[in-house]
Amino acid sequence: SQKIEQNSEALNIQEGKTATLTCNYTNYSPAYLQWYRQDPGRGPVFLLLIRENEKEKRKERLKVTFDTTLKQSLFHITASQPADSATYLCALHNYGQNFVFGPGTRLSVLP
Amino acid sequence: KAGVTQTPRYLIKTRGQQVTLSCSPISGHRSVSWYQQTPGQGLQFLFEYFSETQRNKGNFPGRFSGRQFSNSRSEMNVSTLELGDSALYLCASSPQTTNTEAFFGQGTRLTVV
Repeated sequence: SQKIEQNSEALNIQEGKTATLTCNYTNYSPAYLQWYRQDPGRGPVFLLLIRENEKEKRKERLKVTFDTTLKQSLFHITASQPADSATYLCALHNYGQNFVFGPGTRLSVLP
Repeated sequence: KAGVTQTPRYLIKTRGQQVTLSCSPISGHRSVSWYQQTPGQGLQFLFEYFSETQRNKGNFPGRFSGRQFSNSRSEMNVSTLELGDSALYLCASSPQTTNTEAFFGQGTRLTVV
């Protein structure tokens, strides 16, 4: 069955550093991979979508890579700020099919 | 543009009861998906509706059901509630299909006692 892992349950980094979160998957060949941010008690908020034929996507301080050979996506937040502290979820899907979410990584950016 | 609205925000029910949760998608969005989120299992897909038809269904028992109305509003129903149904239930809407981002509501926190 499909399995998605995110590098660690929790990640602490110092303000100003680059946070790198990992999403690995097995038994799946997704056409799309998305990253979401979720704050406590709230629904996830969409950040970035990357397609299987794209290697990299950027949006402001965010960068996502998608390696279908390694079955891995990396999510980077540069110049991290305490306001970036949240849980980050990766989600995989194919056209017309439901999303499959990873367990999430709780990021804490320390001032 | 108003976001996805879920009602109620909080709900406490007793084992054996049934519950109906409501979701109003973003105006113009035709796809509505429902998810259950628990600390142990994470975000799990329940079902997706598109133009009043169920298109995809997750691996949940038949006690979980849903429907979508002609105005795209959706409801999900859970019958014969169990303690393990306590969770945050999230609704997400998308413009057309699931190849675009999903816009989530704030969720309904259901507690079964």
